[in-house]
Amino acid sequence: SQTIHQWPATLVQPVGSPLSLECTVEGTSNPNLYWYRQAAGRGLQLLFYSVGIGQISSEVPQNLSASRPQDRQFILSSKKLLLSDSGFYLCAWSAPTGFYGELFFGEGSRLTVL
Amino acid sequence: AQKVTQAQTEISVVEKEDVTLDCVYETRDTTYYLFWYKQPPSGELVFLIRRNSFDEQNEISGRYSWNFQKSTSSFNFTITASQVVDSAVYFCALSDLDRGSTLGRLYFGRGTQLTVWP
Repeated sequence: SQTIHQWPATLVQPVGSPLSLECTVEGTSNPNLYWYRQAAGRGLQLLFYSVGIGQISSEVPQNLSASRPQDRQFILSSKKLLLSDSGFYLCAWSAPTGFYGELFFGEGSRLTVL
Repeated sequence: AQKVTQAQTEISVVEKEDVTLDCVYETRDTTYYLFWYKQPPSGELVFLIRRNSFDEQNEISGRYSWNFQKSTSSFNFTITASQVVDSAVYFCALSDLDRGSTLGRLYFGRGTQLTVWP
């Protein structure tokens, strides 16, 4: 069966420090991968998505970047964190074929920028 | 542009009451998908249902039921005989289909926090 795991689960970082959140998927090949952010009191916002290794699309301009160095690995990064980067980050995957748009989410990473 | 509105920020009910969560969407696409996800306190989102734009038939799954009406652009979710374990944030979402691929970008509403009291 397929599983998705992301880490760290919780992170407290000072403003201006770097960030790296990692997500891995097991049990499937060539998944579509996504990073979502859930800010307090708001819905989930799509940040990045990827249909293959090295292929990254950004939905909104921001202080963050994403990379996909391996087929089932998706990384969210920042060189210098801002206070506004605080939030709950969720990685997700969907099948490359078959059901349209059904996403499977990881456990989430809660980032607090102080 | 895709937009999903969940006007109810918070709902509180007592166990065994029925509760309906509202969802209104906007899209220019003729083909699209709608979803409901549940986010329990643990934080992980759990898929509940997917409905495509050509299928307006209502669906029932146990205590859950969904009412899709294209005429009003609504996709409402009803929980019958609610239970404490139903307490969670519920998100309605609309897909953005990338033609020629199976990429499913979802656009979420702000969510409705449902609290079921014993």
